[in-house]
Amino acid sequence: AQSVTQLGSHVSVSEGALVLLRCNYSSSVPPYLFWYVQYPNQGLQLLLKYTSAATLVKGINGFEAEFKKSETSFHLTKPSAHMSDAAEYFCAVSKGGGADGLTFGKGTHLIIQP
Amino acid sequence: KAGVTQTPRYLIKTRGQQVTLSCSPISGHRSVSWYQQTPGQGLQFLFEYFSETQRNKGNFPGRFSGRQFSNSRSEMNVSTLELGDSALYLCASMAAQVNTGELFFGEGSRLTVL
Repeated sequence: AQSVTQLGSHVSVSEGALVLLRCNYSSSVPPYLFWYVQYPNQGLQLLLKYTSAATLVKGINGFEAEFKKSETSFHLTKPSAHMSDAAEYFCAVSKGGGADGLTFGKGTHLIIQP
Repeated sequence: KAGVTQTPRYLIKTRGQQVTLSCSPISGHRSVSWYQQTPGQGLQFLFEYFSETQRNKGNFPGRFSGRQFSNSRSEMNVSTLELGDSALYLCASMAAQVNTGELFFGEGSRLTVL
């Protein structure tokens, strides 16, 4: 079975500060890992994905994430937060290859303070 | 290119009724997945269809069913509605035949069961 744990249901940072959203996964096989973002009253949008190529993955809107197998982590970072980054962020894991759907974490609500 | 379209966006039903939700995927996408999003359980995978066949299924009771048509449009049906079925139902389409996890989500259908 696979699972995802996101530490912190709410994270608050000041505009211009570093954003760090934590995600730890559990998977019996090498995983595919994803970060999705959900803005209010909208569906989810893919930010970035890891599929066993480079361990440092760059995504849209200046976000990036690093896959660390030894720590079973896939934390999301952005050097400088912008007000438009305020949203719900979801980490997800998939076994890929048509095995099953995505397993999502509970989500982290990112609050940007002016 | 039009995105994933879900109808209706909002609906209210009473316990015991049934509901049908519709999803039109991005043109050319043959895979359609459905997810249920609630504050308590988060995002949970319902099922996935590819070329009119259910390829994957989550852990939901048989009251939840779906189908896909030859034009890749999909419907999901929930029979004998319960209060706990109140949720945002998200549809997502995928371009690749293999499950890469790169999903394109619609804005969802928000179901309220009274």
